[in-house]
Amino acid sequence: AQKVTQAQTEISVVEKEDVTLDCVYETRDTTYYLFWYKQPPSGELVFLIRRNSFDEQNEISGRYSWNFQKSTSSFNFTITASQVVDSAVYFCALRRGSGAGSYQLTFGKGTKLSVIP
Amino acid sequence: DAGVTQSPTHLIKTRGQQVTLRCSPKSGHDTVSWYQQALGQGPQFIFQYYEEEERQRGNFPDRFSGHQFPNYSSELNVNALLLGDSALYLCASSLVPDSHYGYTFGSGTRLTVV
Repeated sequence: AQKVTQAQTEISVVEKEDVTLDCVYETRDTTYYLFWYKQPPSGELVFLIRRNSFDEQNEISGRYSWNFQKSTSSFNFTITASQVVDSAVYFCALRRGSGAGSYQLTFGKGTKLSVIP
Repeated sequence: DAGVTQSPTHLIKTRGQQVTLRCSPKSGHDTVSWYQQALGQGPQFIFQYYEEEERQRGNFPDRFSGHQFPNYSSELNVNALLLGDSALYLCASSLVPDSHYGYTFGSGTRLTVV
């Protein structure tokens, strides 16, 4: 069974602080994909990043960076120098690489980030 | 380039009624998935449509049904509404069913059952 755990329900930081959102996943598959999505108050899920299980390189995109560690089944997301526009709910998601259930995303419960000016 | 369009944005239904939600995928996408997001929870997969057929289904009762049209748009139907069906219903589209590049989501339909 696939499972994603985002233990942090809500986080508040002051603008310009760095913040890390944790994501731990469970899967028996060797091939799988991990995603992060941002959900602003408008409700739309905005795609941030996709990682496959064979690529453990960390990735940086502007103020965003992701740390994928298979040894601990974690895929953490760091925002550097946070801004008010980063306030949203962030979801980590998992998808099987093949087989039954490979068409669906399994989401965590999300972490609500509030950036205070 | 229009993204995923969902209608209506909000609606209120009475317990026991039936409801139909609509989704137009992003231009060029031929696969549509539906998710239910209860308040404070992550989205839960309902089902996916490709080539006008249901390709995969999540753990939802038969009261939830869908349809995909030749132009790739899709409908989600829910019969015999329960209070627990109140949620944000999200539609996602992709190029193929098992897209490695994630899915493009719409802003959702907020359904309230009273």
